[in-house]
Amino acid sequence: GAVVSQHPSRVICKSGTSVKIECRSLDFQATTMFWYRQFPKQSLMLMATSNEGSKATYEQGVEKDKFLINHASLTLSTLTVTSAHPEDSSFYICSAPSGRGVNEQFFGPGTRLTVL
Amino acid sequence: DAKTTQPPSMDCAEGRAANLPCNHSTISGNEYVYWYRQIHSQGPQYIIHGLKNNETNEMASLIITEDRKSSTLILPHATLRDTAVYYCIVRVRSNSGYALNFGKGTSLLVTP
Repeated sequence: GAVVSQHPSRVICKSGTSVKIECRSLDFQATTMFWYRQFPKQSLMLMATSNEGSKATYEQGVEKDKFLINHASLTLSTLTVTSAHPEDSSFYICSAPSGRGVNEQFFGPGTRLTVL
Repeated sequence: DAKTTQPPSMDCAEGRAANLPCNHSTISGNEYVYWYRQIHSQGPQYIIHGLKNNETNEMASLIITEDRKSSTLILPHATLRDTAVYYCIVRVRSNSGYALNFGKGTSLLVTP
């Protein structure tokens, strides 16, 4: 089946630094990818929709200048957390639709971000 | 999206069937019922979906009531690896894909 990968799987950084997370669709093309955030013991919350060749669409309350999204190709979307702070520590997950018209989505394995 | 209601947690003995209910009383005619699960510290995994007929695949069965106001996901022979949070999501079908609105789901614990 289709696979979505994320890199890195885990990252620890100092407060104030920026962190880039990559999301790749490995054997299919995705003009749209989604970024979610999940805090401990909570459900996934949609942060933004990444659109290939155009600007991302952010959910209400998500700072677009803090969470930079770039969807430069049909297989790669990146999320950059700029000037990270401890409250940004979370599990970041991307997904891409299968394109088979059933709204089946393939999710990446997630990236655990810890900001010290 | 139609709102869904699931029990927060359930237990199931290994080898027995796990029946996970979901209420979606405000579902509209063009909305599908999707089930995903999330094993701890992993990304969610698609399980099954249906519109009005019962569906079965290699992972599970989905039973949708005739009025479509509720459904049940059945794992016929639960294993320890089925311990996860199970999400019932109601959504219209789309070729381009929509983001999924995850509720709180049901935390299923399969015990030896």
